[in-house]
Amino acid sequence: DAGVIQSPRHEVTEMGQEVTLRCKPISGHDYLFWYRQTMMRGLELLIYFNNNVPIDDSGMPEDRFSAKMPNASFSTLKIQPSEPRDSAVYFCASSLFRGKSGYTFGSGTRLTVV
Amino acid sequence: GNSVTQMEGPVTLSEEAFLTINCTYTATGYPSLFWYVQYPGEGLQLLLKATKADDKGSNKGFEATYRKETTSFHLEKGSVQVSDSAVYFCAPDTGRRALTFGSGTRLQVQP
Repeated sequence: DAGVIQSPRHEVTEMGQEVTLRCKPISGHDYLFWYRQTMMRGLELLIYFNNNVPIDDSGMPEDRFSAKMPNASFSTLKIQPSEPRDSAVYFCASSLFRGKSGYTFGSGTRLTVV
Repeated sequence: GNSVTQMEGPVTLSEEAFLTINCTYTATGYPSLFWYVQYPGEGLQLLLKATKADDKGSNKGFEATYRKETTSFHLEKGSVQVSDSAVYFCAPDTGRRALTFGSGTRLQVQP
């Protein structure tokens, strides 16, 4: 398996623009997680899905953020409009059976909003 | 909810030194415990885990023992290498919510 695949690896955008981050989980994994990592706040859980259904989105910062999982092999995290404080590394992770064997993380998307 | 306290970094060691990174947690029930490692420019990778009291997780020379009485899961390695330089995260998992990660401890190993 190629692991969890995220795209793009790097994204630089201007404030106010829409940004879409993409994630392909490991085939057969039934949980998908979006995390954000910054120096100031560390790793924060944004949202997670089970069988494509959002279970907990309490970590989504505000209405500018939205996430979807239209099928078992694809998820997106969208920021509209983007702001400089959204600059961070965004990680997607997937797991089987609620993570009893741990999560598999993607390599992340480094987002810079200027 | 779950919470984790890890020792502040960076931890700077010479090659072949002994490593301990402390981790204590609060969680309801009996969580599984995990250590993850993040190398520069990469995502987190599962390093080791323990699922019940007194279990010892081990991998790549790293070990950690699930201590229920002290709610701790300290990471140890007998002889570190330069290639072990990374950030290490402790995480308890009760199965009620997604993993909550500690602040991470940066390890720097000097040749």
